Amino acid sequence: DVKVTQSSRYLVKRTGEKVFLECVQDMDHENMFWYRQDPGLGLRLIYFSYDVKMKEKGDIPEGYSVSREKKERFSLILESASTNQTSMYLCASSLLRSGVHRDFGPGTRLTVT
Amino acid sequence: GQQLNQSPQSMFIQEGEDVSMNCTSSSIFNTWLWYKQDPGEGPVLLIALYKAGELTSNGRLTAQFGITRKDSFLNISASIPSDVGIYFCAGQLPYGGSQGNLIFGKGTKLSVKP
Repeated sequence: DVKVTQSSRYLVKRTGEKVFLECVQDMDHENMFWYRQDPGLGLRLIYFSYDVKMKEKGDIPEGYSVSREKKERFSLILESASTNQTSMYLCASSLLRSGVHRDFGPGTRLTVT
Repeated sequence: GQQLNQSPQSMFIQEGEDVSMNCTSSSIFNTWLWYKQDPGEGPVLLIALYKAGELTSNGRLTAQFGITRKDSFLNISASIPSDVGIYFCAGQLPYGGSQGNLIFGKGTKLSVKP
């Protein structure tokens, strides 16, 4: 019953490293999203994509970039990781028409030291 | 930007108690969603509401879409230990935007009374 998977559950990286977080969905969803989740701040949208090779900034895109070369895969890239990017990262997907309900992956807990 | 005010931020439950939480906003929404997140996992959809005034149940959970379209509540009846976790509301705006048209509340953390 695989739906949205994320490449790592836990990741520890050093400051300045380039970090790739991968997300894959098998539901043929058009929309894909990257959120970060921090205590007291809830879920904040980093980037989303409505189609292959298309991306739009969310609320907090600074320090991040994304790549969507295939419909099922959406990657989040931290060009130069910093300690304030230590967080839980959640990937989600949804159908284009409904655009409402998000199916979430299990999350990647990233620690930058 | 648009905000959802979710309350309470946290609460302690004793098994068998009823639980109530709500979300309010100054914005109008087309859809309300309620999610639950277990520790270390992603949020899972509990209930979706599509019409103002709609009341929907899922087992011991009941949620309502406010008449004004600016609020929603979630009730859990006869709570059990596995109800602990974080509950999020989410509202869909009538238009797109920087948030991909879905805004999340900050969550209500449900814990068991010591």
